[in-house]
Amino acid sequence: DARVTQTPRHKVTEMGQEVTMRCQPILGHNTVFWYRQTMMQGLELLAYFRNRAPLDDSGMPKDRFSAEMPDATLATLKIQPSEPRDSAVYFCASGLSFEPGQRYNEQFFGPGTRLTVL
Amino acid sequence: AQKITQTQPGMFVQEKEAVTLDCTYDTSDPSYGLFWYKQPSSGEMIFLIYQGSYDQQNATEGRYSLNFQKARKSANLVISASQLGDSAMYFCAMREGRSGNTPLVFGKGTRLSVIA
Repeated sequence: DARVTQTPRHKVTEMGQEVTMRCQPILGHNTVFWYRQTMMQGLELLAYFRNRAPLDDSGMPKDRFSAEMPDATLATLKIQPSEPRDSAVYFCASGLSFEPGQRYNEQFFGPGTRLTVL
Repeated sequence: AQKITQTQPGMFVQEKEAVTLDCTYDTSDPSYGLFWYKQPSSGEMIFLIYQGSYDQQNATEGRYSLNFQKARKSANLVISASQLGDSAMYFCAMREGRSGNTPLVFGKGTRLSVIA
């Protein structure tokens, strides 16, 4: 049963600390997304990659957030330094950008990382 | 400007009844896709149904159907024969453009509560 995995599932940290979230996309998927969910803003895109290349990271605060794909099986999202306003659920999603015969390109979501910054 | 609008913050429905969750969207791109996701209290995002802008027929997936009215730019989700397990947040989302798997823009969601 292929699924997107994310670690850690929960993270509590203190303001100023570095936070690293990891995502393993479904094997063979070439597009990876990072979304953030908060009560106030809802679900919003932070960044996404296709074939490991960043295509859009305009949703990320550039001074503290960074997203990378060291290889096709791992995507990372780092926050340094973290702030209380970063408290949210961070979702990773993966999908295919093109699959012959597929009517649409579904995005498969991971279980999310719940981050609390004190 | 908000691209996806879900006007119902919360809805109640009696078990076994049908319920419609509203979604309107805004885009000038002739090619787009509309998605509905379910988020139960466990927090996972579960894909329910998809409607493409060029699809001639309304999408259906089991008890879920999408009432797609292109001219009105609405894509309402209909859940038939509600079950207690349908209690969750429901998000409408849109992707613009024809090429590739591009980011989704989400609405604020509707919390559905199914009453026994």
